Amino acid sequence: KQEVTQIPAALSVPEGENLVLNCSFTDSAIYNLQWFRQDPGKGLTSLLLIQSSQREQTSGRLNASLDKSSGRSTLYIAASQPGDSATYLCAVNAGGTSYGKLTFGQGTILTVHP
Amino acid sequence: NAGVMQNPRHLVRRRGQEARLRCSPMKGHSHVYWYRQLPEEGLKFMVYLQKENIIDESGMPKERFSAEFPKEGPSILRIQQVVRGDSAAYFCASSPPTVGEKLFFGSGTQLSVL
Repeated sequence: KQEVTQIPAALSVPEGENLVLNCSFTDSAIYNLQWFRQDPGKGLTSLLLIQSSQREQTSGRLNASLDKSSGRSTLYIAASQPGDSATYLCAVNAGGTSYGKLTFGQGTILTVHP
Repeated sequence: NAGVMQNPRHLVRRRGQEARLRCSPMKGHSHVYWYRQLPEEGLKFMVYLQKENIIDESGMPKERFSAEFPKEGPSILRIQQVVRGDSAAYFCASSPPTVGEKLFFGSGTQLSVL
């Protein structure tokens, strides 16, 4: 059974810092991994999708890496801003007939203060 | 192109009543997924549907819960005889028919059972 763990559970940083959020998963047989952002009382916004054959994906100030063999992914946020405050979730997709059956981590609650 | 639309945003039911949650996928998306987020817990997969077919319902409680995605109209998640433990945020996601694409999530329905 796939298990996804995110560390740290919460993070508070001053504006402008670069930061790293970690995600680990127990079963390396994944199809892809997706990072999401969830704002309080709202839905999930997809940030980055990394296919199992890829090492990293970048979008603006965000960079996500994937080391499938070791079961790890990191989300790097450069020059953090107060607007980045949210819960960040990683989710792995087993693919095949289970495509779309994402296994989520518990999330990292990020607070960026001015 | 409107995103995934869920309604209602908030639903209050008394114990024993029925709850119906609706989800309209993004245009061009034929795959729908339902997830549940219980208080203080992560997002858990419930069911995966394509038009007129249930593909994977391994995350659905065996009793009182059902889902459908008819040929016409939105996907419906139905909870009969609700209990307090059903109080949660229910999220719908959709994806295009091509495997490997991102899942896009709606804003969720917050169900409160009194």
